Amino acid sequence: GDSVTQMEGPVTLSEEAFLTINCTYTATGYPSLFWYVQYPGEGLQLLLKATKADDKGSNKGFEATYRKETTSFHLEKGSVQVSDSAVYFCALTHGGGSEKLVFGKGTKLTVNP
Amino acid sequence: DVKVTQSSRYLVKRTGEKVFLECVQDMDHENMFWYRQDPGLGLRLIYFSYDVKMKEKGDIPEGYSVSREKKERFSLILESASTNQTSMYLCASPPGGQGGLGNTIYFGEGSWLTVV
Repeated sequence: GDSVTQMEGPVTLSEEAFLTINCTYTATGYPSLFWYVQYPGEGLQLLLKATKADDKGSNKGFEATYRKETTSFHLEKGSVQVSDSAVYFCALTHGGGSEKLVFGKGTKLTVNP
Repeated sequence: DVKVTQSSRYLVKRTGEKVFLECVQDMDHENMFWYRQDPGLGLRLIYFSYDVKMKEKGDIPEGYSVSREKKERFSLILESASTNQTSMYLCASPPGGQGGLGNTIYFGEGSWLTVV
């Protein structure tokens, strides 16, 4: 079945550091790929998405490129802020009516001032 | 701008109690999901529903049941709560259909359940 593997945390960075959170997937066909973010005490919010190979999703300074050849969707940000401290989830879906999301285990990011 | 509402944010229940977690969406979506979130395990799908009175098991349905009597409401039921069901429960609702592929899937804020 489909699966998502993301780098284990926790990740601790200083403000303005470069962030990469790796995500790889196993799936048949052409899934859509997502990054969700969960701030402390809140539910999940969509951060960015890509629906086909070579698409780049971007939002709030974060970027991720759908790489079918390496089955990857790594999340990057050039300069993190304290407010980026959260748990980040990589996910995929095939849609087709049910839109079931398959999630990675999450990566906790802490950014120190 | 509320789209998915989970009525109970924090609950403490005793072992053996029957627990209801309610989720309401105001987007007229057909699909609704219940996930549980545990540290180091990510989100795991418990049950989902793609229409009123329709339900399907997810990856971890044991110990849970669901009810979908109205389109906007999807309830998760713990028939006899156990301590290993202490977790955060998230409701989600995607647009569904081929036109919904890649569209935003809305989550509720989560229900923190502690079973003692």
